[in-house]
Amino acid sequence: EDKVVQSPLSLVVHEGDTVTLNCSYEVTNFRSLLWYKQEKKAPTFLFMLTSSGIEKKSGRLSSILDKKELFSILNITATQTGDSAIYLCAHGQGAQKLVFGQGTRLTINP
Amino acid sequence: EPEVTQTPSHQVTQMGQEVILRCVPISNHLYFYWYRQILGQKVEFLVSFYNNEISEKSEIFDDQFSVERPDGSNFTLKIRSTKLEDSAMYFCASKEILYEQYFGPGTRLTVT
Repeated sequence: EDKVVQSPLSLVVHEGDTVTLNCSYEVTNFRSLLWYKQEKKAPTFLFMLTSSGIEKKSGRLSSILDKKELFSILNITATQTGDSAIYLCAHGQGAQKLVFGQGTRLTINP
Repeated sequence: EPEVTQTPSHQVTQMGQEVILRCVPISNHLYFYWYRQILGQKVEFLVSFYNNEISEKSEIFDDQFSVERPDGSNFTLKIRSTKLEDSAMYFCASKEILYEQYFGPGTRLTVT
């Protein structure tokens, strides 16, 4: 059974800090690794990493995939209070289901 | 920007009652999904739907659950006889062939 594990489960930092969120996975047939941000309700898409795209960046957020060591990290620099959310990592099996990790709850204090 | 919509946002029902959760996926998307998230737990896959049939379902998706795409726009999840443990946030999602899944805002189901 595919497994996605995130760490830490919870993180509290001050505005302006840089944070690194971790996601490790054990899957039978790797297709893609996705990051979502969940604020009040729906997960909103951040990045998708595949064998052909192992590094993504958007503004202060960036993510890399290490297929050899089976993990991904999500980096947020110069954090703002609006970055406070639960960050979800998921393995995407082609057109089929997403298998999610348990999420990292990130709190940014002013 | 197109988005997935879900109704209702909150549904309260009594144990044993039937509920139907409704979703309108993004119009050019081909794959549709339901997930649920029990409070404080992981987002869990329930079912995927493509070409008017179920393509995969989880162990959670037993005989009391069914899905339907009754017309060209709606995608519904029916729970026939609700149990207390069905209380959760239910998310609908949709995608094109190759890209990421887009999630709706969810329906919070409370079974009393």
